[in-house]
Parts: sequence; structure tokens; C-alpha cells
Amino acid sequence: DGGITQSPKYLFRKEGQNVTLSCEQNLNHDAMYWYRQDPGQGLRLIYYSQIVNDFQKGDIAEGYSVSREKKESFPLTVTSAQKNPTAFYLCASSRPGLRTGELFFGEGSRLTVL
Amino acid sequence: AQTVTQSQPEMSVQEAETVTLSCTYDTSESDYYLFWYKQPPSRQMILVIRQEAYKQQNATENRFSVNFQKAAKSFSLKISDSQLGDAAMYFCAYRTTFTTSGTYKYIFGTGTRLKVLA
Repeated sequence: DGGITQSPKYLFRKEGQNVTLSCEQNLNHDAMYWYRQDPGQGLRLIYYSQIVNDFQKGDIAEGYSVSREKKESFPLTVTSAQKNPTAFYLCASSRPGLRTGELFFGEGSRLTVL
Repeated sequence: AQTVTQSQPEMSVQEAETVTLSCTYDTSESDYYLFWYKQPPSRQMILVIRQEAYKQQNATENRFSVNFQKAAKSFSLKISDSQLGDAAMYFCAYRTTFTTSGTYKYIFGTGTRLKVLA
């Protein structure tokens, strides 16, 4: 079955360490997105990408970095510059060419910084 | 910039009753899509219903329907015959028109937690 796979589901890191969250999709979607979810704040857009080797900053990109070397993959690195990295992270994808296209989501990754 | 507002952090409904979740948005665009997503305790986001802005007819999916008021920029979700499995966080989302980067942006509200009472 096609879908989006995020790993790991749970991750613990010490303060000051960079950490990379994996996102892989086999839906053949062009666009991919990273959102951060905090209680009471909904989903906030970190980065998004339409095509390989191209991506744009979302509303809260500071302290994060991404790459898009393959269509299927869109990893997110949470750097030590991110002041409050503990959160639930959601990866999503869509088909921009499909007018009615909604977002498809992975199961999320919970990052806890100790 | 577009914004999405969900003013009800939490709602409760008795099983088999009807509940309406509110959502308002702000935009200067004329062509856009609106969505309601459900996030159960598993935290997997599930699409509930979608509405095209240029369609006047309100979307319906089984027990879920919307009241789309374009002029008022309002997009409420009505759940009829509520079931225990409807208990979840519900997010309203707005999809922009095509951006200069060649894709859409999706903007979410802060969510409404729905409790279903047996």
C-alpha cells in the first residue's frame, strides 16, 4: 500500500545535538511538507518542497533544515539552533497537479529534548 | 497572509446527538479549498471532508457535513449521530492558490478537541 513513513516514532536527544527525522513516501507525490504540532497551536509549517533540489521556508523555519535529493524523501534536521525543539513532527505530501488534492500525512515523530 | 481560526478549544457532545465545530478564515484569494481533518488519539491525521470555494453547495460525507459561508469566511463542520469513535482533535485547514514556488500551502487552525459522552 502507498503511504508516508516517518521514522523514528519516538526520539530522545540531549540539548545541543542535531537530530534528523526521516520522511519517505511511495505515493509518487511531487510536493512534501513538514509541520510541527504543539498543544494549543495547531500545525505550523516548517518547510515545503515542490520538486527535487528545491524547497521553501514555511512560517517557523528557524533552527531547522531540509533536503530534497530524491522525490520520495524529505528529511528534516532539527539543529541545536532551534530553541524549543520538543514537539510532535508531521510529514505530509500532496499532488499539486490534482486540483482536489488534499494532504496525506505520516504517523508523526515525537521528539523530546532532555 | 491567510489565517485560520478555530475559537472552540474543546467541545462535548452526547452520543447520537449533533455537534457543530466552528472555523473562520481570512483571505483575499477567490480560489481556494477548505478541509476538515480528524486526529484521533493515534495522532494519524485523517481527511474528513473538503470544500471547493467556488462551489456554493455544501459538501457532505455520510454523517459529516459543512456549512460554507464564503462571504462570511466561515466553514463549520456538523457531525450528526455522534459516535464514540468521533472523539478526536479536529483541524480546519485552508489551501492557498498556487504559490510562486509552484505548489500549494496548507494552513491549519489550532484545533478543537471533541469529546463524545456515552
